[in-house]
Amino acid sequence: DQQVKQNSPSLSVQEGRISILNCDYTNSMFDYFLWYKKYPAEGPTFLISISSIKDKNEDGRFTVFLNKSAKHLSLHIVPSQPGDSAVYFCAALSGGSNYKLTFGKGTLLTVNP
Amino acid sequence: GAGVSQSPRYKVAKRGQDVALRCDPISGHVSLFWYQQALGQGPEFLTYFQNEAQLDKSGLPSDRFFAERPEGSVSTLKIQRTQQEDSAVYLCASSLRTGRNHSPLHFGNGTRLTVT
Repeated sequence: DQQVKQNSPSLSVQEGRISILNCDYTNSMFDYFLWYKKYPAEGPTFLISISSIKDKNEDGRFTVFLNKSAKHLSLHIVPSQPGDSAVYFCAALSGGSNYKLTFGKGTLLTVNP
Repeated sequence: GAGVSQSPRYKVAKRGQDVALRCDPISGHVSLFWYQQALGQGPEFLTYFQNEAQLDKSGLPSDRFFAERPEGSVSTLKIQRTQQEDSAVYLCASSLRTGRNHSPLHFGNGTRLTVT
């Protein structure tokens, strides 16, 4: 069963608008969450993370929100740029492990000029 | 080097052949990971090394999969008697450390294995 779910396989937004990527998880033991970005034929690159003791973390155009009661997190990108077009993976770490990441299936974001 | 380097980039193997995939992590990175990414899926954990010690191999799908990191630097993932279901991108990642102050994983570009 998928413990980290990204239910939208793809998302298309206009340049300059906000992109919102969603992620749900089922494992209550997850306490640290990360977003990775992946371009074709490259490995994923780390984007931003959040600990379960916070509900928001911001880094430039990227903000991650965590709603623990709903077991839901989201990544906001504003303003979106064409270079943001990539696959975005949500990943989680369990409190019982400090190294084994569980990834979602990813969401393909396309930002149209 | 500047990043994690994996070779070969692409590998085609006939079913039943053995393959060896190489990973050169970022210099000084203690932790090394192998992940498998099937088409349309997210990466799935295979195994984890801290220096030369393989601390977790719980994600290896079968005993046909074997990984080593004998000197705590370069790592090799070996797959014996390859099967079609082994076709995937194999990603290597390294990090400076592990722990709650998580050091993000730096991934290589992967080796795409196709078993025919």
